[in-house]
Amino acid sequence: NAGVTQTPKFQVLKTGQSMTLQCAQDMNHNSMYWYRQDPGMGLRLIYYSASEGTTDKGEVPNGYNVSRLNKREFSLRLESAAPSQTSVYFCASRKGGSTDTQYFGPGTRLTVL
Amino acid sequence: QKEVEQDPGPLSVPEGAIVSLNCTYSNSAFQYFMWYRQYSRKGPELLMYTYSSGNKEDGRFTAQVDKSSKYISLFIRDSQPSDSATYLCATSKGTYKYIFGTGTRLKVLA
Repeated sequence: NAGVTQTPKFQVLKTGQSMTLQCAQDMNHNSMYWYRQDPGMGLRLIYYSASEGTTDKGEVPNGYNVSRLNKREFSLRLESAAPSQTSVYFCASRKGGSTDTQYFGPGTRLTVL
Repeated sequence: QKEVEQDPGPLSVPEGAIVSLNCTYSNSAFQYFMWYRQYSRKGPELLMYTYSSGNKEDGRFTAQVDKSSKYISLFIRDSQPSDSATYLCATSKGTYKYIFGTGTRLKVLA
């Protein structure tokens, strides 16, 4: 079991460029999440997918789009990157049910110049 | 006011010390409480998970929830240098959304 995997591990973009962050889980979890982590701000939810076929905005969705491609995969797209999107991005998944919890991937470090 | 408050530290302790990490929260609807450990440049990993009030123990780690004062704690006994990490508290109402604290950086000195 690889758990939650994310690609790429590192990325440098120029302002205005686009890119997609990939996330996959092999735990047959129902819900998936995208967070960003910034110093002093903690983990902030960007988007989540409660189940295959559904997506919802989190706390900081502006400038991002997501796709729940299938039960395993949940991608995050930056259409026109801005320096304010420089951050570490984490994907997480959760099986479901109120007594379960989230499991995180290793993160993608993104720098936007 | 943030829904979950956590002192960022850093907190430095000698090896073998008992460590106390704390969070406060504002919403009495929160029912589920988690502690995650995050090593430098890694993703958070679940350490402890508790429901409602009370204590939960797992080896050297004890999680404590006091819903009357909206206070959650993580105690680490016999701390080791390998415990040096950032510790994140998190709460949930039992829905999809978790609210995370900003994390406390802990350094255990050998």
